[in-house]
Parts: sequence; C-alpha cells; structure tokens
Amino acid sequence: GENVEQHPSTLSVQEGDSAVIKCTYSDSASNYFPWYKQELGKRPQLIIDIRSNVGEKKDQRIAVTLNKTAKHFSLHITETQPEDSAVYFCAASRVNTGGFKTIFGAGTRLFVKA
Amino acid sequence: DGGITQSPKYLFRKEGQNVTLSCEQNLNHDAMYWYRQDPGQGLRLIYYSQIVNDFQKGDIAEGYSVSREKKESFPLTVTSAQKNPTAFYLCASTPRTVTYGYTFGSGTRLTVV
Repeated sequence: GENVEQHPSTLSVQEGDSAVIKCTYSDSASNYFPWYKQELGKRPQLIIDIRSNVGEKKDQRIAVTLNKTAKHFSLHITETQPEDSAVYFCAASRVNTGGFKTIFGAGTRLFVKA
Repeated sequence: DGGITQSPKYLFRKEGQNVTLSCEQNLNHDAMYWYRQDPGQGLRLIYYSQIVNDFQKGDIAEGYSVSREKKESFPLTVTSAQKNPTAFYLCASTPRTVTYGYTFGSGTRLTVV
C-alpha cells in the first residue's frame, strides 16, 4: 500500500552542525509535502512545506528539497540549536475524493547537543 | 491552541467504560481528523470527516466512533471495544478543497486505570 518511509529514526548532532532528514513516498500522485515539528508532549506544528511544482524551498535555517523522479524529499536544518531538539515528521498528501489524503512518516527524533 | 481546542488534556478510563474526547475548531475548516500517537511512534489515522454529517474510517477505526453534527465539532468516543486505548490523541483540521498542512489541537492523553 501507500507509505512514507522516513530516515533516520534518531539523529544526534552537535550544536551548530547541520541535520538532514530524508523521506521517500510511494504514491506518485502525491503533490504536497509538509514537515511538522513536535516537541515533547506538545502538538505537531507545521514548519515548512513544499508543493510538487517546486524543487526547493527555504525559510531561514530550514529548507526542504523535493525530487519527484526519485519520489523523495528532505528536510535540512542548518546551524542547529538546542531548541531544534524535537521529533520531526514528514508527510505526503494528494487530492482524494472530496478532499485529500495524507500519509505520515514514522518520525525522526533529533537531539542537538550543546 | 491556534483555533482548534481539545479537551480534556488528560483523561482516565476504567475498564469497560466509554469516554468521549472533545475537538472544537473556529477556523472554518471543512475537514477534521483524529489521530492516535503511541510513545515513540508516528501518527495513525482513526477517523476523518470532510463535511458535516459525513465521516470515514481511517486505518485503525476499530473500537472508536465519531460524529460530525456541526462543522466546528468532531468528538471521538473511545468505546470499551478498544482494548488498548492508552495513547495520545490528536485532533486536526484543514480546509477541504485546498491542500494545506494540518492545524493540530494540543492533544488528549488517555490512560486506562
């Protein structure tokens, strides 16, 4: 069935280093790819998204790239800070009957060491 | 809570008891969703509704029920048929016709006692 694979499941980096999280999707009809950040005990919050007609999008220290041919997309965080420590989820969405369908990756727990 | 409110924040359920989790949004979103999150796990879809008086089962609907009598409200009932209900439950909403990210509520942590 349709799925989204996310790697790695855990990532530990030193403060100031970059972090990269990768996702691969199976449904070629997917056309919207959001990323969520979830701090411990809190709700997920949308941090960046990209649509299928764009290859890259950047917002300050975070960026997302999309390779439609290979069906994978990645989150890049530069100059990481301790407050970036959280679980990050990728997702892939496509238009569905009467709305749209979203599949989430399993999440990546990012630790940023001071 | 960014326009979507879940209550209560913590809920304790006894064996054999039904409990209802509340989700209300004032974002004028058509679509609403319920997800379950187990410790260290991703998000699994329980039920979703794209329009009032209509809802669809997600991937793990067994032991749960929902209603959508008003656009603003999408309550989730965890029935006694759900044998392992201890989890973090998240409600979310989106506009139905345009692909946007979800707005999530702050969640309800349900524990069986």
